[in-house]
Amino acid sequence: QVQLVQSGAEVKKPGASVKVSCKTSGYTFSNYGLSWVRQAPGQGLEYMGWISAYTGETNYAQMLQGRFTMTTDTSTSTAYMELRSLRSDDTAVYYCARTASTTVNRFDPWGQGTLVTVSS
Amino acid sequence: DIQMTQSPSSLSASVGDRVTITCQASQDIIKYLNWYQQKPGRAPKLLIYDASNLATGVPTRFSGSGSGTDFTFTINRLQPEDIATYYCQQYDKLPPAFGGGTKVEI
Repeated sequence: QVQLVQSGAEVKKPGASVKVSCKTSGYTFSNYGLSWVRQAPGQGLEYMGWISAYTGETNYAQMLQGRFTMTTDTSTSTAYMELRSLRSDDTAVYYCARTASTTVNRFDPWGQGTLVTVSS
Repeated sequence: DIQMTQSPSSLSASVGDRVTITCQASQDIIKYLNWYQQKPGRAPKLLIYDASNLATGVPTRFSGSGSGTDFTFTINRLQPEDIATYYCQQYDKLPPAFGGGTKVEI
């Protein structure tokens, strides 16, 4: 079955960077895209960006432009996200989710989530 | 960017009730609307895609309808395991946007 397994929780200081991985299995990685969605404590879902595992095309949420980078490694069927210059309001659970290869449509399935805590 | 307005933000219902949640888009999104269920401490799960299509393995008591700017999500005969927060999400235009969520309690 299709599975997305994310790396473990992180605690970072303000100004630092964090890199989260999303290892996929159960499907042909390059036939789909991967999106990243975050959820601050007690809040709703916020789209961060999408990357096509087929073409490498990306779409970034404007509010994160310049601080956020998505990459993929087709040899290991793994996607990565890196968020730099962390602030306290970046504290959230970060999810990866499979989406279409050519654009964002539906998020299905999702990884289990990675809690990133930013605190001095 | 397209804004999604979901209502109500929370509701309380009894087992066996019909529950209805609405989602309104700030502009026409045709039928490009999905619904997700998120249980506490868990990742969201796709329930409905393209406004009215049931995702694989989802019980038939869940349904969706609508087009254009107004959409409805319904749970027929609410079950205890349906306690969760439900989100709508549009994908007609980038960036995709989620509604604010509806917390369903019993």
